[in-house]
Amino acid sequence: EAQVTQNPRYLITVTGKKLTVTCSQNMNHEYMSWYRQDPGLGLRQIYYSMNVEVTDKGDVPEGYKVSRKEKRNFPLILESPSPNQTSLYFCASSFAGGELFFGEGSRLTVL
Amino acid sequence: AQSVTQLDSQVPVFEEAPVELRCNYSSSVSVYLFWYVQYPNQGLQLLLKYLSGSTLVKGINGFEAEFNKSQTSFHLRKPSVHISDTAEYFCAVFNTGTASKLTFGTGTRLQVTL
Repeated sequence: EAQVTQNPRYLITVTGKKLTVTCSQNMNHEYMSWYRQDPGLGLRQIYYSMNVEVTDKGDVPEGYKVSRKEKRNFPLILESPSPNQTSLYFCASSFAGGELFFGEGSRLTVL
Repeated sequence: AQSVTQLDSQVPVFEEAPVELRCNYSSSVSVYLFWYVQYPNQGLQLLLKYLSGSTLVKGINGFEAEFNKSQTSFHLRKPSVHISDTAEYFCAVFNTGTASKLTFGTGTRLQVTL
């Protein structure tokens, strides 16, 4: 089954404790992206990757890092999480931008 | 830069009534347009898309949208809604020139009641 898989789905952590949200897709897509969803703000892009070893900032990259060492994986790293990073995070992929296929989301709470 | 405006944050409607969710976009170049639906506690799934060709696009679950280039709009419609259509709906625009991201609107919460 074609899918985008994120882990963990739910996480509660404390300020400053590094965490990684993994994302994996099995559709051989070149393009992958991370979004955060906040009430009243819709989805905002954090980072995206056009292909392996190619990443770029989206609209709200501060406080996040990403890497794209393999085509299927695109982890999101929060080196020192803060409460304003409490949000619902979505990973998505596509062949060349445009129509995105989304994961189920990861709800992160930073205390 | 492209942007998407969904003027209605919430749309309450009775079951079996028609509904229109509005979406306007701004972009100086050619675009693709999308509507996504998000059911409670789920990810986003594609409802319909406009890439080129006919301006009237039909999607899943009886939804359709019309691309209006002169008004830069892509409104979503359904002639008769069901309780199960209660969800958040997002309009999105993709700039074919930069090809870097899908820009989303802030969403419209459709609440269908009996």
